[in-house]
Amino acid sequence: EVQLVESGGGLVQPGGSLRLSCAASGFTFSAYWMHWVRQIPGKGLVWVARINTDGSIISYADSVQGRFTISRDNAKSTLYLQMNSLRAEDTAVYYCAREILTSQGYWGQGTLVTVSS
Amino acid sequence: QSVLTQSPSASGTPGQSVTISCSGRSSNIGSHTVSWYQQLPGTAPKLLIYSDSQRPSGVPDRFSGSKSGTSASLAISGLQSEDEADYYCAAWEDSLIGPAFGGGTKLTVL
Repeated sequence: EVQLVESGGGLVQPGGSLRLSCAASGFTFSAYWMHWVRQIPGKGLVWVARINTDGSIISYADSVQGRFTISRDNAKSTLYLQMNSLRAEDTAVYYCAREILTSQGYWGQGTLVTVSS
Repeated sequence: QSVLTQSPSASGTPGQSVTISCSGRSSNIGSHTVSWYQQLPGTAPKLLIYSDSQRPSGVPDRFSGSKSGTSASLAISGLQSEDEADYYCAAWEDSLIGPAFGGGTKLTVL
């Protein structure tokens, strides 16, 4: 069974940092592009970042460019999102997702990040 | 403000059919395929349609997708109460170098 399990969310002060993890199982993690997508509670989905199978191709939404870093460890079947210089507007549920625009689209249950003093 | 435009709400009664639309431009829907996701309350998005009109295994054939030019549609026939959810369209956006989403359509089954 395919599973994506996010962790690492929580409450952080503005300007602080947080590292999200997404543990994958039930499929060959190293064969898939992966994404992070966020959703403010009650609002729509917003793409954050993507990474190719070996980590050599990465792109970010303008809103997080220079502050967030996506990475992966294929040996551990884990996706990461390092979030620095966090702002109140980064408050959201963060989902990791496999190949959003293909037949292999699959999302984890999400982890809530709250940026507040 | 979302890159792809969806009506914020739609509704229907059990057994009826409903269509949800998604509007974009040449840099997204006009040149790339569209996916549709269903998000039930409190859950993660689930893939309903990919490549404009293809259904993953396990998705009922009551759900169908189509695309014309820079617009796409999701049709749901034989509405059921469990179809009450938020529906999102998604497509690659050239300027984003990533996927863009619609703002979502909240479907209410009356």
